[in-house]
Amino acid sequence: DQQVKQNSPSLSVQEGRISILNCDYTNSMFDYFLWYKKYPAEGPTFLISISSIKDKNEDGRFTVFLNKSAKHLSLHIVPSQPGDSAVYFCAASGYNYGGSQGNLIFGKGTKLSVKP
Amino acid sequence: GAVVSQHPSWVICKSGTSVKIECRSLDFQATTMFWYRQFPKQSLMLMATSNEGSKATYEQGVEKDKFLINHASLTLSTLTVTSAHPEDSSFYICSARPQGLNSPLHFGNGTRLTVT
Repeated sequence: DQQVKQNSPSLSVQEGRISILNCDYTNSMFDYFLWYKKYPAEGPTFLISISSIKDKNEDGRFTVFLNKSAKHLSLHIVPSQPGDSAVYFCAASGYNYGGSQGNLIFGKGTKLSVKP
Repeated sequence: GAVVSQHPSWVICKSGTSVKIECRSLDFQATTMFWYRQFPKQSLMLMATSNEGSKATYEQGVEKDKFLINHASLTLSTLTVTSAHPEDSSFYICSARPQGLNSPLHFGNGTRLTVT
């Protein structure tokens, strides 16, 4: 059973508009969430994270929102740029889950295409 | 920022041979490194946790005798795919986490393995 779900395999957005990528999780032990961006044939690159003690974290054009009661998080990219086109992975971990290092559980990813 | 280097980036080998993949943390020490495997259109699946100076911890379903992990120093972990078969063809990615509360995992660029 998938513990981290990204139900939209792809998303297409016009340049300059907002991109919203969604992620749901099932394990209430998760307390730390991350978004990674991945280009083809490359490893994922860390984008932004949020701890469960917060409900919002912002870094430039990227904002992550966390709704713990709904076990839902989302990544907002505003404004979207063609260079943002990539696969975005949601990941979750917990310091009481998977050992002290808290290995990550990944969603399947959402492929974002930003059209000029 | 933290850099994780993975080598080689791609390799083609014949069935029955062994292939070694290296993962190095370039500007930080990593007592723990993680090895993932990614199938097409699937999420990153954790294969094993590599522990410096001790045995690796393998996830359920991962054959430890087939995927040998050696974490010989604080900056180097190796994954050896032994007696490779075509079904082992995949994208293998390593990651490591710098010290610090909630430091995100940093990933290598991955290794594309093709077994013919």
